[in-house]
Amino acid sequence: GNSVTQMEGPVTLSEEAFLTINCTYTATGYPSLFWYVQYPGEGLQLLLKATKADDKGSNKGFEATYRKETTSFHLEKGSVQVSDSAVYFCALMIQGAQKLVFGQGTRLTINP
Amino acid sequence: GAVVSQHPSRVICKSGTSVKIECRSLDFQATTMFWYRQFPKQSLMLMATSNEGSKATYEQGVEKDKFLINHASLTLSTLTVTSAHPEDSSFYICSARDPRSSGYTFGSGTRLTVV
Repeated sequence: GNSVTQMEGPVTLSEEAFLTINCTYTATGYPSLFWYVQYPGEGLQLLLKATKADDKGSNKGFEATYRKETTSFHLEKGSVQVSDSAVYFCALMIQGAQKLVFGQGTRLTINP
Repeated sequence: GAVVSQHPSRVICKSGTSVKIECRSLDFQATTMFWYRQFPKQSLMLMATSNEGSKATYEQGVEKDKFLINHASLTLSTLTVTSAHPEDSSFYICSARDPRSSGYTFGSGTRLTVV
């Protein structure tokens, strides 16, 4: 089946630290991969995506590279800010399907 | 950008009563909407796919008679939790597919507490 496994949180870092949130997936087809972010009191927002192997998605200083050989889509940011505190969800969608399959979410807290 | 409004954000109801949650696409027409349930420290689990003008498609293990979904217009889908029980307490989130971008926009969620 299709599934997404995320690094278990919560993750707490100091401002300007380097961030990595691991995400691996299993899929029966050729998935598109996504990172969503949920700020406190808000709905999920698309952070970045990649639709094929070796693609790199990037937005707001965050990056993730679609690695087919390791079935991974790890989220990275070189220098986090307090405003990055949120819950991050990795997700996949199989081509031709409409359903998003989510990981369990990783709560990130950045301290000043 | 695309906006989805979900209402109410929080609701407390007595056991045995029914609760309706609304999901509206404000600036686009959504032929397809999705309803998710999120347990504490767990992922979003897709409950059903709501299709405008037709019956919803439920995921395996979701009771369609308990979680009634209606998608009567291109901008509104509703989820009614019937005869709610404490185990139905959860965070419910809707999502709509924006045909202009093929992207998915999420509502801010509804925290349901059944007492």
